[in-house]
Amino acid sequence: GIQVEQSPPDLILQEGANSTLRCNFSDSVNNLQWFHQNPWGQLINLFYIPSGTKQNGRLSATTVATERYSLLYISSSQTTDSGVYFCAVGYNFNKFYFGSGTKLNVKP
Amino acid sequence: SAVISQKPSRDICQRGTSLTIQCQVDSQVTMMFWYRQQPGQSLTLIATANQGSEATYESGFVIDKFPISRPNLTFSTLTVSNMSPEDSSIYLCSGQGQASGGYTFGSGTRLTVV
Repeated sequence: GIQVEQSPPDLILQEGANSTLRCNFSDSVNNLQWFHQNPWGQLINLFYIPSGTKQNGRLSATTVATERYSLLYISSSQTTDSGVYFCAVGYNFNKFYFGSGTKLNVKP
Repeated sequence: SAVISQKPSRDICQRGTSLTIQCQVDSQVTMMFWYRQQPGQSLTLIATANQGSEATYESGFVIDKFPISRPNLTFSTLTVSNMSPEDSSIYLCSGQGQASGGYTFGSGTRLTVV
């Protein structure tokens, strides 16, 4: 299967700081999503971004499919951004492979 | 995007018993997927459920332990059978939303086996 590596595994930020999360994948994909898992376990879809750049408020994401990586940017972080961020990839909406996640803790 | 309602949201079960988790989608989806997330871990795919055929299980997961039903294009169930404490996990279902929207997930079932 496709290998998905996320970095860093853990991140501690002071409220208001910016951060970049990275996702590397081992094979060609045409489906890539970023998710935020809140403390209650709910998985929230942040971006569907198999290529290009998207922005949604303080969050933005960029995927360079030819180089097999994606980046998630969080600006002006807030305590509510805390949780685990997952990158997941797939091809033709078949199996979906998850990375190990980045655990983010934003301190007030 | 499709909205998936999953229930129960949590349960505490005795070892040796079984629990059935249900997922209802507000639109038709061709494939649904069932995942397990063990404490502190990432999500692992259990099986792919297609309507009208048996589910396809990933390595390490078997039908006797995790039977799946998919009676139509908007509904699926996963049963965790003969539970042990090692089955304590979050279980999530997923389906493809709109073609441009990727996958959407149910809210998860947090299972504790005592």
